Amino acid sequence: AQSVTQLDSHVSVSEGTPVLLRCNYSSSYSPSLFWYVQHPNKGLQLLLKYTSAATLVKGINGFEAEFKKSETSFHLTKPSAHMSDAAEYFCVVSPYGGSQGNLIFGKGTKLSVKP
Amino acid sequence: GAVVSQHPSRVICKSGTSVKIECRSLDFQATTMFWYRQFPKKSLMLMATSNEGSKATYEQGVEKDKFLINHASLTLSTLTVTSAHPEDSSFYICSARTGFIQETQYFGPGTRLLVL
Repeated sequence: AQSVTQLDSHVSVSEGTPVLLRCNYSSSYSPSLFWYVQHPNKGLQLLLKYTSAATLVKGINGFEAEFKKSETSFHLTKPSAHMSDAAEYFCVVSPYGGSQGNLIFGKGTKLSVKP
Repeated sequence: GAVVSQHPSRVICKSGTSVKIECRSLDFQATTMFWYRQFPKKSLMLMATSNEGSKATYEQGVEKDKFLINHASLTLSTLTVTSAHPEDSSFYICSARTGFIQETQYFGPGTRLLVL
């Protein structure tokens, strides 16, 4: 069975400090992996995606994520948090690699950024 | 590019009435559209997948007679919540992608439904 686990429901950082949002996945196939961000009462915006090319994926707004098959992880990082980064972040797996029919969402991690 | 809109953004209705939510791909043709439901502080739950010109495929546990989905054109899909009840109150989000299966799903801004 395919699943995705976001290890922290809430992460709080100070502005200017690094961000780490953790995600582990389970997939029988070679998956595609995504990070989406959702600001309050807004839809989801794609931050980045991994589709079996480079394992280090760079996204928008300075975010990046590294696919580690041995650890079944796809953690999201950013070197320096900005107030505007405060939002809900979802790690998502598409278990059939490239096929984006059923996306499986993690439960989300709320990122708070303190001044 | 790749903008998806939803209308309305927020709707309040009385119990027993029906509500229609529109999802439009503004700058691309969406062969496939998806409808999700998001409960407060919860993740997104896929309700159904619709392909243009054919019947929607509903996920297990989703009542197809209650949540009517129509995907009549390559840029428009509608979700109608029939005989709405307070428990149908939720945030409904659509997404769209082209027929090319490698393409990313692009999400709409969501519709907040409140049933009184």
